[in-house]
Formats: sequence, structure tokens, C-alpha cells
Amino acid sequence: QQQVKQSPQSLIVQKGGISIINCAYENTAFDYFPWYQQFPGKGPALLIAIRPDVSEKKEGRFTISFNKSAKQFSLHIMDSQPGDSATYFCAASIEGGYQKVTFGIGTKLQVIP
Amino acid sequence: DVKVTQSSRYLVKRTGEKVFLECVQDMDHENMFWYRQDPGLGLRLIYFSYDVKMKEKGDIPEGYSVSREKKERFSLILESASTNQTSMYLCASRPGGAPPKNIQYFGAGTRLSVL
Repeated sequence: QQQVKQSPQSLIVQKGGISIINCAYENTAFDYFPWYQQFPGKGPALLIAIRPDVSEKKEGRFTISFNKSAKQFSLHIMDSQPGDSATYFCAASIEGGYQKVTFGIGTKLQVIP
Repeated sequence: DVKVTQSSRYLVKRTGEKVFLECVQDMDHENMFWYRQDPGLGLRLIYFSYDVKMKEKGDIPEGYSVSREKKERFSLILESASTNQTSMYLCASRPGGAPPKNIQYFGAGTRLSVL
């Protein structure tokens, strides 16, 4: 059972465009939602994260939108650049206990000039 | 900078071999994790450890075991490698505490091929 569903699996965006990656979760106990970015040959690295008490978080060109009632959250990359080409994973965890992180399947983003 | 080092970038093993994947972190983190990454399946948790000599099963522990004798080192063991264990293996570490302190830091991965 996939607890965090991520779409699309691949995405091609022109330079300067907006990249949008969507995720949905099932477990209402999740209370922390990070996004990780992975470049080829590297391990994933934390990009941005949000907690469900806010509907939006912005860091530079990266914005997370969060809809608690719909159990959905999304990553928007504004003014996408070729250097943003990477695989992006959404994730969810529960703050207490072992804080095990559940990842989505990943989205391979390619930004073309 | 936090550093998570996986001992090998590439490994080729034969079916039935015992395989050891090693991971070392240099930030005194309490928690360490082993994931495997497969196309279309994302990152799946194999095992994790929240303290020395402590371990917990993740989502796909079958065919794997782990060892954590020292805080900085977490080993993944494939008792008898099989072809369906061909994958990218990622180690991660994380400090204790609540977000935003509990960031997971990943190693670069070990690509294992079992022939």
C-alpha cells in the first residue's frame, strides 16, 4: 500500500516555466512533509519542508502548497532552470516515535533550455 | 558539513554470496537508515537503528539484516544475495529531536548488481 502517492513520474519543462509536482497521502497522522532533491550520482538532500498548520511555504523559487482537508501537497518550482533538473521526492512522517519517513516514488524533472 | 560515507559506489556479486554494505556518519547522529531505491518504487526503508545495537525493521526487511556496533557505523548485510536484490542502496543518518532539526542526510549510494 503506497501511503504517499506522487505524480507525475517524469516531467519536462522549458526554462523559465513552472514545474509542479503533486503528492497525496492517506495517513492523517502524518504531521511533517519534506521534499528531497536528488541529482544523478548523489543521495537525496532536503530541499524544503512544511507542517500541516500552514498552507504554503516559500523558499526562493520553491514553494510548497498544502491542503490538509484534501490530504494533498505540491511543490512548485518557479522560473525553472536547467540546474533544477533532478529527481524530486515528496515524503511524510510522524513527529513522535521513530519518525519513520515514507517517500513517494519520485519525479524526474528535466528542464530544457 | 554532515558527511555520510558509503564504502563502495559500485559492487558486483554472485547469487548466494554474503554481501556487506558499510555506512559511516561523522556527526554523532542517533538514527541511521538503510533504503533501497528502484525506478518506479521510490525509496523504500529496509531497516533503521535509533541507537547502538538497536534495530527496527522497515517496510522491506526480508533477505536483509543489519548491524550497529558503534554509533557512527551501520552495516547492511545480505545473507545470501539474490538477483532481485540488484538495486541502489542508500544509507542515511539523522539526529534526534523534532523538525526542523531532524533532517535526514543521505550518502551517495551503492549500486549493487547481483549476477
